Amino acid sequence: QSALTQPASVSGSPGQSITISCTGTSSDVGGYNYVSWYQQHPGKAPKLMIYEVSNRPSGVPDRFSGSKSGNTASLTISGLQAEDEADYYCSSYTSSSTPWVFGTGTKVTVL
Amino acid sequence: EVQLVESGGGVVQPGGSLRLSCAASGFTFDDYAMHWVRQAPGKGLEWVSLISGDGGSTYYADSVKGRFTISRDNSKNSLYLQMNSLRTEDTALYYCAKDEKGYSYGSWGQGTLVTVSS
Repeated sequence: QSALTQPASVSGSPGQSITISCTGTSSDVGGYNYVSWYQQHPGKAPKLMIYEVSNRPSGVPDRFSGSKSGNTASLTISGLQAEDEADYYCSSYTSSSTPWVFGTGTKVTVL
Repeated sequence: EVQLVESGGGVVQPGGSLRLSCAASGFTFDDYAMHWVRQAPGKGLEWVSLISGDGGSTYYADSVKGRFTISRDNSKNSLYLQMNSLRTEDTALYYCAKDEKGYSYGSWGQGTLVTVSS
């Protein structure tokens, strides 16, 4: 099972909106609504930001939103803030022999 | 408050073994499946293994199947990962994570570092 494909980097200015894509196949992203997103600051453990494609856990700002179209899921950060600078990973359940897979990761830079 | 504390990491030679532990608190441990996820230095996240709440079902990544064994002791609120036949590519920070809605990883420990080197 190959990792889901994410852009290596995305950048934006404070206040702008950015979108991170996560592309898989019909065996993972496209086949299930079990897509989640994680934020990881340097030297820290990942933090759950979105689960089941578009649901936010309590405590996660509503600036973070998720969606899915076909085999591609997306994480949008609206009103970008300095503290949003981090690495972001998507994850999906898959029907392959390795039942869970992460994306390749995206470094978000706030200009 | 959910707390997950990993331990047992260290330096081991290729072909060697190591057993990781994860002590859980702040939630009803046996109500939740648990994952192990690893991250090689400077690299991305890789899912490793999952065990169901009652320990009756286990799943592994192809990269560790046949070498790693996940287990849990619900009486001790503890999760384990027995790692045998270790390879240099198993070098990573190993996290335990609590399974949440939609197979998401809702809470994470701080990780324990495993280094496989001669």
